[in-house]
Amino acid sequence: QVQLVQSGAEVKKPGASVKVSCKASGYTFTGYYMHWVRQAPGQGLEWMGRINPNSGGTNYAQKFQGRVTMTRDTSISTAYMELSRLRSDDTAVYYCARKPQRGPIDYWGQGTLVTVSS
Amino acid sequence: QSALTQPASVSGSPGQSITISCTGTSSDVGGYNYVSWYQQHPGKAPKLMIYEVSNRPSGVSNRFSGSKSGNTASLTISGLQAEDEADYYCSSYTSSSTLERVFGGGTKLTVL
Repeated sequence: QVQLVQSGAEVKKPGASVKVSCKASGYTFTGYYMHWVRQAPGQGLEWMGRINPNSGGTNYAQKFQGRVTMTRDTSISTAYMELSRLRSDDTAVYYCARKPQRGPIDYWGQGTLVTVSS
Repeated sequence: QSALTQPASVSGSPGQSITISCTGTSSDVGGYNYVSWYQQHPGKAPKLMIYEVSNRPSGVSNRFSGSKSGNTASLTISGLQAEDEADYYCSSYTSSSTLERVFGGGTKLTVL
């Protein structure tokens, strides 16, 4: 069965960086885009960007341009999302979610809570 | 402020039907049939309930249905059950130059 297993919760200071991993199993990793979506406490979902694991090509939301980097390691079927220059309002649960080239975002990871606090 | 507009809350009694609206623009909801709906229970990841406006993934109850008219998409849940109580989010592809996908602000469904 499809599984996306994310790394554990992180606590970071303002100005630091965080790197969240997302290990995929149960399907061909390079056959589906990986999207990243975040959810601040008590708030809605916010699309951050996506990576094509086959080519490594990325598309980031303009809001995060210059601060976010999405990468992947196909040898271990894992996608990564790194966010730099963290601020308190980056405190959120970060989700990875897979999407076929044609079709919806269909499976989500369990989420990773990133807390930014001095 | 979310790109797609949803009511903050809706409620209904068991057995009743409810509809949640999702209003966008011609650059997203109105321009493409790529509207999805997600259900999220507290502390859980979102779950896909409807895709491409009105299609149900395998395993999703046929009590859930979707539609679209102009720039507004809708999710209807019939025969409400206690387990339907959750947050619901719509999402759409967008032709915006600043992002690829947009979400609604979410709707809290309460089953009375």
